[in-house]
Amino acid sequence: QSVLTQPPSASGTPGQRVTISCSGSSSNIGSNTVNWYQQLPGTAPKLLIYSNNQRPSGVPDRFSGSKSGTSASLAISGLQSEDEADYYCAAWDDSLSGYVFGTGTKVTVL
Amino acid sequence: QLQLQEPGPGLVKPSETLSLTCTVSGGSISSSSYCWGWIRQPPGKGLEWIGNIYYGGSTYYSPSLKSRVTISVDTSENQFSLELSSVTAADTAVYYCARRGITIRAFDIWGQGTMVTVSS
Repeated sequence: QSVLTQPPSASGTPGQRVTISCSGSSSNIGSNTVNWYQQLPGTAPKLLIYSNNQRPSGVPDRFSGSKSGTSASLAISGLQSEDEADYYCAAWDDSLSGYVFGTGTKVTVL
Repeated sequence: QLQLQEPGPGLVKPSETLSLTCTVSGGSISSSSYCWGWIRQPPGKGLEWIGNIYYGGSTYYSPSLKSRVTISVDTSENQFSLELSSVTAADTAVYYCARRGITIRAFDIWGQGTMVTVSS
C-alpha cells in the first residue's frame, strides 16, 4: 500500500476552490520535494506541480502547491469542468530508496 | 518535442517474463539531465513506481518488485526497456514509460501507456 495518504475524493462547483491533502512522513515529504500529477480519464498522468510549488510551462496558475513538514497540499482555484480528474501526489522516499505515489484523489465538478 | 512510445505485447502468460520497450523520439536518451522510468497502474487503481535507470546505467527499483525487475537502456536505438519476470495476474496493469528530470525530480514526459494482461 502507498505511504502517501490522500482523501479518495473531493468535489466543488464551478468557480470554487478545492484543496487536496497529501500526508507522508519524515522519510518522504519531510525530506524531499513533492510533485503532483493530474490524470484525466483514459489518459496518461501529466505533471502539474514539481518541487512543492512550481508549475511546468502551460499549467494554469489556478493550480498551486504547498508543503509543510510531512504534509503537502494541492489547491485548485476557480474550478472548471475540465479539472475533473484523478490527482496524485508523489515524492522520493529515502527509507525505501524509491519514488512513492499517493493513493490518489478523484475530483468531481458538481 | 520529445515523445515516448511503449507498444506492448498485450497478453502475457502467468510465470513468463513481461518485456516492454520505450522508444524515445525528438531527443536523445543520452543526457545526464534526465533519467528514465517505468510506472504501472492496475485497472481501477493508483499509480505504482517500478524503477528508474540513470545516465551511466545505474538503476533504482521498487523494493516490492526488485527481485523480478530489470531496466536497461540501449543508447544506439534511443530506447530503454523493462523486464518483469514470473508474472502473475497481479501484474496486470497499464504500463507507462516516462522521463524524469534530475533537477526537478519529477516525471515530466509520459508515454501513452500500454495495457498488459497476465492470463493463460
